[in-house]
Amino acid sequence: DQQVKQNSPSLSVQEGRISILNCDYTNSMFDYFLWYKKYPAEGPTFLISISSIKDKNEDGRFTVFLNKSAKHLSLHIVPSQPGDSAVYFCAAMNYGGSQGNLIFGKGTKLSVKP
Amino acid sequence: DSGVTQTPKHLITATGQRVTLRCSPRSGDLSVYWYQQSLDQGLQFLIQYYNGEERAKGNILERFSAQQFPDLHSELNLSSLELGDSALYFCASSVPTGELFFGEGSRLTVL
Repeated sequence: DQQVKQNSPSLSVQEGRISILNCDYTNSMFDYFLWYKKYPAEGPTFLISISSIKDKNEDGRFTVFLNKSAKHLSLHIVPSQPGDSAVYFCAAMNYGGSQGNLIFGKGTKLSVKP
Repeated sequence: DSGVTQTPKHLITATGQRVTLRCSPRSGDLSVYWYQQSLDQGLQFLIQYYNGEERAKGNILERFSAQQFPDLHSELNLSSLELGDSALYFCASSVPTGELFFGEGSRLTVL
């Protein structure tokens, strides 16, 4: 049973436009959410996170929104750049539980076209 | 560079064999995590060690085992290998706030 779901395997966006990547989770015990970016032949790198006490966290071009009632989070990238082309993984954890035991979604491959 | 070092980067072996993957966490990090990424799959949590002791276990097969040594490096042992074990194996270490820092991975191909 997948606890973290990224239902869109891929997304294509024009350079300069907004990219919106979505993630749903089922476990109501999750209280900390993270996004990772992965380029080919590299390990995933941490991008941005959000605690369940917030509904928005912003870092430069990247903003993560959390809707706890819907068990949904999204990552907005504005404006999108070709260098953002990568696989984006959504991850969730119960911070008070096994720290660092992140549950990952299957990823969404973002392609930003010049 | 995440500071997490994994060796080997690539490994090709045959079914039934045994391999060992090695990981050195970032300096100062006490936790080591192992994840498996198979084709079309996300990152599947295998096991976590903290300061030499097993802390959490995920979907790790009985044919797989891991340990963390006093110098905090970790090894993941995969035995009786099957074709389906072909995957990318990532090691990560964490900061107290929960973010994981991943190594570049070890790509295992079982023929």
